[in-house]
Amino acid sequence: AQSVTQPDIHITVSEGASLELRCNYSYGATPYLFWYVQSPGQGLQLLLKYFSGDTLVQGIKGFEAEFKRSQSSFNLRKPSVHWSDAAEYFCAVGASNDYKLSFGAGTTVTVRA
Amino acid sequence: EAQVTQNPRYLITVTGKKLTVTCSQNMNHEYMSWYRQDPGLGLRQIYYSMNVEVTDKGDVPEGYKVSRKEKRNFPLILESPSPNQTSLYFCASSSDRTPYEQYFGPGTRLTVT
Repeated sequence: AQSVTQPDIHITVSEGASLELRCNYSYGATPYLFWYVQSPGQGLQLLLKYFSGDTLVQGIKGFEAEFKRSQSSFNLRKPSVHWSDAAEYFCAVGASNDYKLSFGAGTTVTVRA
Repeated sequence: EAQVTQNPRYLITVTGKKLTVTCSQNMNHEYMSWYRQDPGLGLRQIYYSMNVEVTDKGDVPEGYKVSRKEKRNFPLILESPSPNQTSLYFCASSSDRTPYEQYFGPGTRLTVT
């Protein structure tokens, strides 16, 4: 069965600074990888996804993520954060043989002025 | 507007009093799913449905029931709620062409006393 670990529970970053959120997955085959964002009081929104091909994927809101098979990682990055990026971020992995998504515990991002 | 709706958004109830949380999507999606979100645990899948009259257990199905009599609706039923079912619940849907790109509802915060 697949699983996801997000090592950082909470990250604080200054507005305009860069952001990197870590995600490590466990899955025996080629994973399908996702990042979702949950703004306060909202449901989850898909930021970006990786199925195959180019290991650097671009998403919405200026986010990107890089798949590194050797490290079983799919870290999320943004070069310059905005106050509106304050949210909880979830990494998820999907198995290739069903529609199930397994989510990490989430990383809360606080943006300070 | 494409969306997933849930009702109610907030619910406080007592142990043992049956309740239903409704979920409806207007995107003609085949796949629907229920998750619960608890601090430090991320989202865990309760039940999912691949299509009308096809449902299956997720990771934490105990104490819950679902039905899928119509494609657009996927209600979550708690026959006898207990305090350990106090949580934030999300419904999600996706097309069978892009099953992992799930659209989430706004969430239902349930408190069982």
